[in-house]
Amino acid sequence: GQSLEQPSEVTAVEGAIVQINCTYQTSGFYGLSWYQQHDGGAPTFLSYNALDGLEETGRFSSFLSRSDSYGYLLLQELQMKDSASYFCAVKGTYKYIFGTGTRLKVLA
Amino acid sequence: DAGVIQSPRHEVTEMGQEVTLRCKPISGHNSLFWYRQTMMRGLELLIYFNNNVPIDDSGMPEDRFSAKMPNASFSTLKIQPSEPRDSAVYFCASSLSSGGEEQYFGPGTRLTVT
Repeated sequence: GQSLEQPSEVTAVEGAIVQINCTYQTSGFYGLSWYQQHDGGAPTFLSYNALDGLEETGRFSSFLSRSDSYGYLLLQELQMKDSASYFCAVKGTYKYIFGTGTRLKVLA
Repeated sequence: DAGVIQSPRHEVTEMGQEVTLRCKPISGHNSLFWYRQTMMRGLELLIYFNNNVPIDDSGMPEDRFSAKMPNASFSTLKIQPSEPRDSAVYFCASSLSSGGEEQYFGPGTRLTVT
């Protein structure tokens, strides 16, 4: 079957660095995407990795290891506004699936 | 660009009624996705279209659900008859690429079936 696993909740303090992991199992693999969703809002696109390695976009970075079926989202210099749910998403050969989401709480 | 537009934003209906949700994707985007989000089941892909053609509808829960995309700028998701368990937030998203790796979501329609 196809599945994505990510932690349900992560807590960190303002200014810290946090890593949200995602492991996947799919039939075929085209790439790993990350989305952010604030309570009551819609998911917004953060990043996409098709190849192994680290992609950096401002305070956010995303990493992919295709051989390990693993990726992570790295958030640096955490701010209160980063408190949200973060979803990894994978497109396999036949399916496009989202993970169950990681709720990030940023404490002052 | 106005982004993905969905209507209505909120819908309250009684069990057994027909519900139609509407979506206007971002102009020029080739792919359109319909999702359902609930606390219990998370974000589920219901169906997606490439160039107005349904590609994967395996996520459509049952025959009560149907989706159409008559042209590149409009799609509908219909539930007939609706049931209380259909209560959820329904999102439409569009993507420039057929792979859908970067999707832009609409604000969602919050559906409540009583």
